[in-house]
Amino acid sequence: EIVLTQSPATLSLSPGERATLSCRASQSVRGLLAWYQQRPGQAPRLLIYDASTRATGIPARFSGSGSGTDFTLTISSLEPEDFAIYYCHQRSNWPDTFGGGTKVEIK
Amino acid sequence: QVQLVESGGGVVQPGRSLTLSCVASGFSFSRYGMQWVRQPPGKGLEWVSLIWFDGSDRNYADSVKGRFTISRDNSKNTLYLQMNNLRVEDTAVYYCVRDMIAPNYGFDYWGQGALVTVSS
Repeated sequence: EIVLTQSPATLSLSPGERATLSCRASQSVRGLLAWYQQRPGQAPRLLIYDASTRATGIPARFSGSGSGTDFTLTISSLEPEDFAIYYCHQRSNWPDTFGGGTKVEIK
Repeated sequence: QVQLVESGGGVVQPGRSLTLSCVASGFSFSRYGMQWVRQPPGKGLEWVSLIWFDGSDRNYADSVKGRFTISRDNSKNTLYLQMNNLRVEDTAVYYCVRDMIAPNYGFDYWGQGALVTVSS
């Protein structure tokens, strides 16, 4: 099974700052990677699919990049509602796997 | 708008059974593959099972294979997860999830989740 390693585990930033989250796969997932945001007490929400395509209704401050084994989720300027946990997810090889998550917290 | 509403969660003793249901609305349920994803309290996400749009193929995580059964009734817009021989480690919030249609890959809609607690 493909292991997804997210880093850092916790990111402490202030509103308005730029957030850069990493997801590294144990083998190539081509471009079949998605990113989700989970706020406390809520279900995950799809942000990015196919590595770089924003899902419907997702603000332009969220962007995804990468291919193969290294992927990045960037939030260009953090809004108060962006402080949450972010997960990456690969669909390239069975079974689907998720990264352990990165918590973006207020500094 | 797309809605996925799970039900059937609760507290159950180890070795017992439970069935989750997920009623879908706001889209053509019979066109989409569906999945179950779970999240133990305070932990990350784990994929559990998938079923094709027409029910012709299903798959399971090794951790639940042989104990859980996914099914769907397209006439009722409902997805099911029958869970047998439950273990303490099955304790989690179970999410019903809609799969995007190829060539796009991702889980684009999630239910609010159903909490299953396995405890003696």
